[in-house]
Order: sequence, then C-alpha cells, then structure tokens
Amino acid sequence: EAAVTQSPRNKVTVTGGNVTLSCRQTNSHNYMYWYRQDTGHGLRLIHYSYGAGNLQIGDVPDGYKATRTTQEDFFLLLELASPSQTSLYFCASSEGGSERLFFGHGTKLSVL
Amino acid sequence: GQQVQQSPASLVLQEGENAELQCNFSTSLNSMQWFYQRPGGSLVSLFYNPSGTKHSGRLTSTTVIKERRSSLHISSSQTTDSGTYLCALGGSNAKLTFGKGTKLSVKS
Repeated sequence: EAAVTQSPRNKVTVTGGNVTLSCRQTNSHNYMYWYRQDTGHGLRLIHYSYGAGNLQIGDVPDGYKATRTTQEDFFLLLELASPSQTSLYFCASSEGGSERLFFGHGTKLSVL
Repeated sequence: GQQVQQSPASLVLQEGENAELQCNFSTSLNSMQWFYQRPGGSLVSLFYNPSGTKHSGRLTSTTVIKERRSSLHISSSQTTDSGTYLCALGGSNAKLTFGKGTKLSVKS
C-alpha cells in the first residue's frame, strides 16, 4: 500500500503568518493532491500535480500556493494565513488521475 | 459540475446488524471509490470500483453505471466500523468529487 506522510500533524499560527505543509509519498505515484476538509463542505480540492514541476488548480485555490519539487514531495503554502483557512488538510497520491487514491494522516491547522 | 449525493447522512446500528450506504451521482463516471474515515480523522481506501461488485471481508461495493449509483454494504456490523464513509466520483479529468459522507455509529 502507498505510504503518504504529512507534516506537521498539528499547526497553530496567527493571522498573517506563513505556513508550509509538507507531503511525501514513497510509491512513485504520478499524481499528488491537497484537500481541505470542513464540516458541512466535505473534502475540497485545493491544488494537484501530475509530476515534478507541474501544478494544477483545484476547486478552492484562493489563498494557497503549491509546489511539487520532486516526484515524491508536494508542498502547500499559505503565505498570509487567515482564520478561514483553519481546517483539516489532507495530502493524497494516485498512480493516475482518478485512480485509487491514498491519503496521508492529515494536518490540523488552526489560524488564530 | 459533478454532483455526488450520499445517503443516509447518519445511521445508528446495533452490533451485528447490516448496513447499506448509498452514493448517487448525476454525471458520467470514470471511477468510483469508497473511503472510511476514522473518528480521529485519517482516511482509508476501501474500494476502487468503477463498475460491478467487489468484496473485501464483510464489505461489498456495487456500482451500477447506468443507474448512476454505487452502494457499500456492511454485514454483521461491529463497533469498530463506527466512523464516516465517503464515496468519491472520478470524471473525465483527474479530479475526484467527494460526497459529504455517511456517519455510522455501531452500538454494542
């Protein structure tokens, strides 16, 4: 089974702060995704990538940047964090688009 | 855009009872997946099932494309089955659309 590791597991920051969430997958999957999960909205796609150096816009990209530095590593950047970005963030990977998805354990982010 | 509706929104069972969770979608699909979310938050892949029926232990997933529905059957439920079950529809692009989930509580 694919291993997807996220860090940190928990993060607290203040409004206007910079936050970087990290994700590493060890099964050489082509696709990597960042989702956020909020009560009442379910899982929503922020950004995704199909390879190193590639970035695709998801459904809720505003306020987020992302970068895929290698096949294994995908980062989510919040440069001016706002309280509305308080959420549970998941990274995921799959071999191909819309193929079986494997999730990391999630990062709980609180923006005060 | 793609719409995915899950039902019921919540379900309470006594241990040993069976459950049928539904996922209905309004557009054509390339893939259908089911996930289990533990009360602590982590997500586990249960099935990748774009069509037909698949089994895994006490779980069965059935996807009927022309009826635009997929179901997850849990037999002989256990308290450890408690959590939230999510379905996700894959369309013609690489993006999945998730349902809002069915929250299952199994009581002993």
